[in-house]
Amino acid sequence: SAVISQKPSRDICQRGTSLTIQCQVDSQVTMMFWYRQQPGQSLTLIATANQGSEATYESGFVIDKFPISRPNLTFSTLTVSNMSPEDSSIYLCSVAEVGVNQPQHFGDGTRLSIL
Amino acid sequence: GEDVEQSLFLSVREGDSSVINCTYTDSSSTYLYWYKQEPGAGLQLLTYIFSNMDMKQDQRLTVLLNKKDKHLSLRIADTQTGDSAIYFCAEDGGTSYGKLTFGQGTILTVHP
Repeated sequence: SAVISQKPSRDICQRGTSLTIQCQVDSQVTMMFWYRQQPGQSLTLIATANQGSEATYESGFVIDKFPISRPNLTFSTLTVSNMSPEDSSIYLCSVAEVGVNQPQHFGDGTRLSIL
Repeated sequence: GEDVEQSLFLSVREGDSSVINCTYTDSSSTYLYWYKQEPGAGLQLLTYIFSNMDMKQDQRLTVLLNKKDKHLSLRIADTQTGDSAIYFCAEDGGTSYGKLTFGQGTILTVHP
């Protein structure tokens, strides 16, 4: 399976600032996703990162707050903008291939705390 | 919308079997997944089952799927203290490479 690297692994940020999280995959993948895991909660999909076009956002998530880039088939970024304490979460990148027996794999996540 | 439910806690003694249960509502699921999350770590894919199967075994792990009742279970044989973690059930809503809907996670605690 693909090896997924996320940077930074953790950060502590001041409210009102923005942070960009990077997701790098060691092979080309068709699908890349960004999920959020709030403290003690399950995972919720933020958006699907589309290569060369705008991301597809889920209900409750907007581009102004969570801009996403995907310049190629191995890399994506998620920015958390104008952060508030409610944004304190783990943000996870995942990848999947189209086809049979191609499960979704996750990176180790970015643990974000907002003061 | 789709819903996935799990019990929140399970406590077992080392060496016993653990059974983690999950129910889901989306009948169009193609694959159903079990992920493990250890403290401070990301999600590790444990196993997955195609919706047309009713059982899958992988070493100490056995997945049972009752599609009629929309019930999925994960059995861990000879549970070890290293199995202590949060276990998430997830379904793909009919698109194997699309959005996953996760359960709340089951916290498995293994006592020596």
